[in-house]
Amino acid sequence: SQQGEEDPQALSIQEGENATMNCSYKTSINNLQWYRQNSGRGLVHLILIRSNEREKHSGRLRVTLDTSKKSSSLLITASRAADTASYFCATASGNTPLVFGKGTRLSVIA
Amino acid sequence: EPEVTQTPSHQVTQMGQEVILRCVPISNHLYFYWYRQILGQKVEFLVSFYNNEISEKSEIFDDQFSVERPDGSNFTLKIRSTKLEDSAMYFCASSPRARGTDTQYFGPGTRLTVL
Repeated sequence: SQQGEEDPQALSIQEGENATMNCSYKTSINNLQWYRQNSGRGLVHLILIRSNEREKHSGRLRVTLDTSKKSSSLLITASRAADTASYFCATASGNTPLVFGKGTRLSVIA
Repeated sequence: EPEVTQTPSHQVTQMGQEVILRCVPISNHLYFYWYRQILGQKVEFLVSFYNNEISEKSEIFDDQFSVERPDGSNFTLKIRSTKLEDSAMYFCASSPRARGTDTQYFGPGTRLTVL
């Protein structure tokens, strides 16, 4: 079954606006992680939220986790052109490896 | 800040040739992984490695693939006889503790192009 499906697939916003990306998954998880990938580059770990946490902040990033709905959201506040990238959620369940979604392509227009 | 490194950044090879992709995980990490990402698609798990042996592998990781930790620092992925469909970005990752419960730190990737 699919895990970690993000939506929207693509998002285009103006610099300064907030960007919200969502992730849904199907099975129970230990934690959920968000990664960023600039075009053709590696994956940069942004934030990890554990299954017993509901919200986590890191700088301009805010991640929420609703285990009852099996969903997470990533909010980037006051977006910048440099935030343009693809954003992936990845779920960790028991001893299974990370399962990535297809990602959301974020474009921040200056 | 310590980071995972990978070499080469781009590898071009002919179909049927063997390739070795190299990774240097973060030095105090115990778990190592290879993932791949075909252009425009999801990042897919290939294999995890702990205590000098494979701990888990996916269906993608068939007999053409092998991994090795030849010394205390390098972690390699070998593809014995490359196919066109092996063209992808290959990412190495490492984590300090058990997978699934800890952050995995990814390298910048090696882009493999099979002609």
